[in-house]
This record gives sequence, C-alpha cells and structure tokens, in this order.
Amino acid sequence: QKEVEQNSGPLSVPEGAIASLNCTYSDRVSQSFFWYRQYSGKSPELIMSIYSNGDKEDGRFTAQLNKASQYVSLLIRDSQPSDSATYLCAVLDTGRRALTFGSGTRLQVQP
Amino acid sequence: DAGVIQSPRHEVTEMGQEVTLRCKPISGHDYLFWYRQTMMRGLELLIYFNNNVPIDDSGMPEDRFSAKMPNASFSTLKIQPSEPRDSAVYFCASTLAGGPHEQFFGPGTRLTVL
Repeated sequence: QKEVEQNSGPLSVPEGAIASLNCTYSDRVSQSFFWYRQYSGKSPELIMSIYSNGDKEDGRFTAQLNKASQYVSLLIRDSQPSDSATYLCAVLDTGRRALTFGSGTRLQVQP
Repeated sequence: DAGVIQSPRHEVTEMGQEVTLRCKPISGHDYLFWYRQTMMRGLELLIYFNNNVPIDDSGMPEDRFSAKMPNASFSTLKIQPSEPRDSAVYFCASTLAGGPHEQFFGPGTRLTVL
C-alpha cells in the first residue's frame, strides 16, 4: 500500500510569517508531486506541482523535493489569513496513473 | 473554459434509495476520476477512466457502487441501495494524458443518507 504522510496540524502561524508544510511518501519510484489547497466546504485546488529535486517557486509559494529522502515540502512566504486552509500533498502512482493523497495539514494564519 | 461540472451539488436521501451522481470533465481531458472524501478516511480514489474505459475500480467499496462513462463528456456514479455510511463528499476530477497529469477537481456532491 503506497502511503503519503502529513501532519494533520493545525499549524498556526502569525500573518506575515513563513508557513512550512511537510509530506513524506513511501513509493521510491514516484516522479510527480502536487500540492492542493482545500478551503472548508470547497474542492481541492491545485497550487503547485514539482517533478525534479530542488526548489520550484511560484509567487509566495515554494515547493521543495528531495527524492532521496522521499520528502516534499511547501513553503508559503508572507502568510495571509486567506491562506488558512487544508493543504493536501499528492503523489502520482506512475503505474496506475492515479494520485495518492495525504490526509492534509490544516493551516491557520493568525491576523 | 468551463471547469469540471458536477450535479447535484447536494443530495439528501433515505437509506435504501438509489443515488446517481453526475460529472462532466473538462473538454479534451481523457482521464476522469471519482473520489470520496470523509473526515475519517480523507480523500479516496474510487475509480478512474481513460478514454471512457474503466481502468481501475479497486477503490470501489462494494457492489452497491457502480460507475459508467458512456461518452467523453459524461460520467455517472451510482449507489444502489444507499446506506448512511455512504454519506460523504464525492468529487470528480479530470486530466489530460499527454500533460503533467495535474488533476482538476469539480465542486463536489455532498451526499447525506438518512
């Protein structure tokens, strides 16, 4: 059973701080990784994808991938109250062409 | 371009009744996925299709659940008979085979079985 692990939180950070969200995965051959944001009562929204080791930046978001450690992270700089949501890590099962999701980390940004 | 469309958005039914959920994927996408989300189990993949053909239904919980995709623009997920433990939010998502496999989700159907 391929697994994706996340700390459920809540992770509480003050407005303007950096929020760091972490994810580990069990399948060593995974090549594609995604971060989704889900507001309460809404559907998951794709915010970042990463395929190579290292960092990928998009605005205030940075995804980091370390395949050797089987670790993916998401950094949110200058956190805003509107960033308060659950963040889901997803890993592509290459053989099945399907995503396995972690249980999500709830982020709270305090004004 | 319109995103993934799901209907109904909310469904309340009584135990034993048949429930049909509907999904229209993004035009041109050739993969379609059905997920179920609950507090206890998180987001679970139920079944997915490629070019209208079911590829993997190993996540379908039991024979009461069935899914079809009669054409590239329409899919249904049916529960018959429904049970209270089927209460959840059901999401449909789609993606393009030749792309990076980023999946885009519909708004979901919140199902309550009394």
